[in-house]
Amino acid sequence: AQSVTQLGSHVSVSEGALVLLRCNYSSSVPPYLFWYVQYPNQGLQLLLKYTSAATLVKGINGFEAEFKKSETSFHLTKPSAHMSDAAEYFCAVSRFTGTASKLTFGTGTRLQVTL
Amino acid sequence: NAGVMQNPRHLVRRRGQEARLRCSPMKGHSHVYWYRQLPEEGLKFMVYLQKENIIDESGMPKERFSAEFPKEGPSILRIQQVVRGDSAAYFCASSPPSQEAFFGQGTRLTVV
Repeated sequence: AQSVTQLGSHVSVSEGALVLLRCNYSSSVPPYLFWYVQYPNQGLQLLLKYTSAATLVKGINGFEAEFKKSETSFHLTKPSAHMSDAAEYFCAVSRFTGTASKLTFGTGTRLQVTL
Repeated sequence: NAGVMQNPRHLVRRRGQEARLRCSPMKGHSHVYWYRQLPEEGLKFMVYLQKENIIDESGMPKERFSAEFPKEGPSILRIQQVVRGDSAAYFCASSPPSQEAFFGQGTRLTVV
């Protein structure tokens, strides 16, 4: 069985500050990990994915995430927050390369960016 | 190439009515997935379909819910005799084989 835990349902940062959204996973097989962003009343957009290649993954909008097997973590970071980053972020795990088949999602972290 | 199209975007049903949610996958995508997002929760997998086949329905409630992906036309998620607890956002995603999926904008079902 696979699971994902996102620590912190709400995170608030100032514009220009570092963004750190935490994700820990549990998987009995090598996982494939994803971060998605959801803007209000919108669908999910893929930010980045880890599929057992480089452990540091760069995504869109300046986000990146590092896969740390020893810590079973896949935290999402961005050096400098922008107001447009305010959204809900979901970490997800899958057994299959790149497919959405049975993605298991975390409960999400709502990012607030303040002036 | 249009994205994954879901309609309607918003659907209001009275208790006991039927809800039909439609999903047109992206062109060339033969795999469709349905997820449900309850208020303040993450998405939960419901069902995975390929053309004319249900591959995995382990996340579907045993009663009142059904899904299909016919040879022609959109995928349909059908909820019979809706109850207030069915109120949620229902997302469809599609993909080619063994590639990442793209999500639609969802259908927000409200049961009154």
